[in-house]
Amino acid sequence: AQKVTQAQTEISVVEKEDVTLDCVYETRDTTYYLFWYKQPPSGELVFLIRRNSFDEQNEISGRYSWNFQKSTSSFNFTITASQVVDSAVYFCALSGTTGNQFYFGTGTSLTVIP
Amino acid sequence: GAGVSQSPSNKVTEKGKDVELRCDPISGHTALYWYRQSLGQGLEFLIYFQGNSAPDKSGLPSDRFSAERTGGSVSTLTIQRTQQEDSAVYLCASSMGTSGSMGNEQFFGPGTRLTVL
Repeated sequence: AQKVTQAQTEISVVEKEDVTLDCVYETRDTTYYLFWYKQPPSGELVFLIRRNSFDEQNEISGRYSWNFQKSTSSFNFTITASQVVDSAVYFCALSGTTGNQFYFGTGTSLTVIP
Repeated sequence: GAGVSQSPSNKVTEKGKDVELRCDPISGHTALYWYRQSLGQGLEFLIYFQGNSAPDKSGLPSDRFSAERTGGSVSTLTIQRTQQEDSAVYLCASSMGTSGSMGNEQFFGPGTRLTVL
C-alpha cells in the first residue's frame, strides 16, 4: 500500500522560530519519489521539492531544509527563522512506480504569528 | 509561460444539476490529473490521463463523475446530478510525464470551487 501520514494537523509558531513538519510514508516500491507542496491561503499548490528514493542527501534551500531518512521512512521539512509568509498548508506526497497516482498526506496547517 | 488554468473559478449550482469543470494544462505536458479537496482536507485523486492511453479512473467516487481529455490537451470534468457532498475545490494538475515512473512534479491550477446548494 502507498500511504503518506502527516500527523501534525495544525502548528502555530511565533515568527523567527524554527519549525519542523513531519512526513512518514509507506510504499512497497523500491523506486519512489517524495514531494512537498505549499498551499497558501490563495489556494494554489506550489511545488517545493522532489526527492528520489536513491538520494538520501539532505537538501537546503534558503530557509527551507529537508531531511530524508529511509530507515524511518520519513521526509521531514524544516523552516528556519519562520516568517508570516510561511503561513500555509503544507502537503507531503509520494509517487511510486506502481500506478499513476500521487499519494498526498492530509496536510499540516502552519500559522506563523507575528 | 502560462501555468495550468481552470474555469470557472467558482461555480454555484443547485442539487441535481450537471456541471462541467475545465482544465487547460501547461503546453507540452502529457499527464493530467484531477483531484478533489474538501474543506480542510487533503487531496483526493479522481482521474489521470497520460497521452493517448486509457485514463486511470480508479479515483472517481461514483458513476456521476466522468472526465475526458480532447486532443491530449484540455480536459473537462463532468459531475451529473450534483449532490451537496460534491461541494469541494476541484484541482487540476499537469506534468511532463507519468509521475510514477519519472518522478515528475505536478503543477497545479488554482482550482474550481464548487458549491452545491
